[in-house]
Amino acid sequence: AQSVTQPDIHITVSEGASLELRCNYSYGATPYLFWYVQSPGQGLQLLLKYFSGDTLVQGIKGFEAEFKRSQSSFNLRKPSVHWSDAAEYFCAVGAREYGNKLVFGAGTILRVKS
Amino acid sequence: GAVVSQHPSWVICKSGTSVKIECRSLDFQATTMFWYRQFPKQSLMLMATSNEGSKATYEQGVEKDKFLINHASLTLSTLTVTSAHPEDSSFYICSAKGNGELFFGEGSRLTVL
Repeated sequence: AQSVTQPDIHITVSEGASLELRCNYSYGATPYLFWYVQSPGQGLQLLLKYFSGDTLVQGIKGFEAEFKRSQSSFNLRKPSVHWSDAAEYFCAVGAREYGNKLVFGAGTILRVKS
Repeated sequence: GAVVSQHPSWVICKSGTSVKIECRSLDFQATTMFWYRQFPKQSLMLMATSNEGSKATYEQGVEKDKFLINHASLTLSTLTVTSAHPEDSSFYICSAKGNGELFFGEGSRLTVL
């Protein structure tokens, strides 16, 4: 069965500090990998995605993620966090073989200390 | 970029009534749309895949008679929660596939009293 694990429910970092949000997946097909951000009461915004090619993916707002097939991971990173980055972050996995339906992780809530 | 719009953003209804939520792709045609439900402090769970001109495909455990999905045109899918009850209160989000990408709507928060 397909599954996505985000081990950290909450993470608190100081403004200006670096950030890494973890994501591990279990998938029977070649995965497409996504990171989304959700502000309270709002929909989802795509930060970045990986389909193939370079395993280090650059996204919007200064975020990047690295696909590591050997570890089944797709961790999200940002070198310097801003207060406006406080939100909930979802990792998601999809595949053409499964009709492009996405399976989401449980989410990680990011709090930023000033 | 492509935009997906949902309406209404917020809806409060009495128990036993039906509520319709619309999902529109504003600048592209979407043969496939997806409906997700998100309970408070939880992740998104796929409810169904909406296919233009054909029946929706529901995920296991989702009642098709309770959550009616209609995808009558290439830019509009509707989700109707029939005979809503308080346990149906949730945040409903749609997504549409366009230009090879998935775009999400802003979500619709349903509160059933």
